Amino acid sequence: QVRLQESGPGLVKPSQTLSLTCSVSGGSIASGNYYWSWIRQPAGKGLEWIGRIYTSGNTDYNPSLKSRVSISLDTSKNQLSLKLSSVTAADTAVYFCARRSSPSSGHGMDVWGQGTTVTVSS
Amino acid sequence: SYELAQPPSVSVSPGQTASITCSGDKLGDRYTCWYQQKPGQSPVLVIYQDTKRPSGIPERFSGSNSGNTATLTISGTQAMDEADYYCQAWDSSTVVFGGGTKLTVL
Repeated sequence: QVRLQESGPGLVKPSQTLSLTCSVSGGSIASGNYYWSWIRQPAGKGLEWIGRIYTSGNTDYNPSLKSRVSISLDTSKNQLSLKLSSVTAADTAVYFCARRSSPSSGHGMDVWGQGTTVTVSS
Repeated sequence: SYELAQPPSVSVSPGQTASITCSGDKLGDRYTCWYQQKPGQSPVLVIYQDTKRPSGIPERFSGSNSGNTATLTISGTQAMDEADYYCQAWDSSTVVFGGGTKLTVL
């Protein structure tokens, strides 16, 4: 059974780049036809999709974040990574990675990590 | 950009049927998913492709989608169903979430 685990600095200074990784166990990140997404959730608020990467390496991003976001796969480490540049306090949130296990239309994200909290503050 | 609207809160008595709506322009022309999130936990997919339940999701959870509204229905609601529920659809290649609905079972 595949498991996802997010990790990274819990505190990032304003204007810096937030970098997170999602370690995948129980399966290879390079095999299968999967979409790997990052989603965030500010405290007490709803879910916001950040972007995704397909197993092939193709990416899609939330238009509101596109200019600051980069998502990539590191197949040697079996990890997914997120970089968000020029952060502000508004980027403070719990960040989740998730997998959509089927490329077919209408399939949701059925595997989620536990989330990691990132605070943007000086 | 495409937007999905959900009521902030819905209340239901134990054993009764809860209905949570999700509205968007011509939403019925798109697939919708639903997620359940309990406090301090990660979201769990409960409905995909409008009506299908992933393995392990109880039969009391069902979904529909037509016109401008998708609906998550929980029949025979139990106390354990108290949670936040989010609808999700796609706008071209991007993922869109609704604002979430807090379901209270009282």
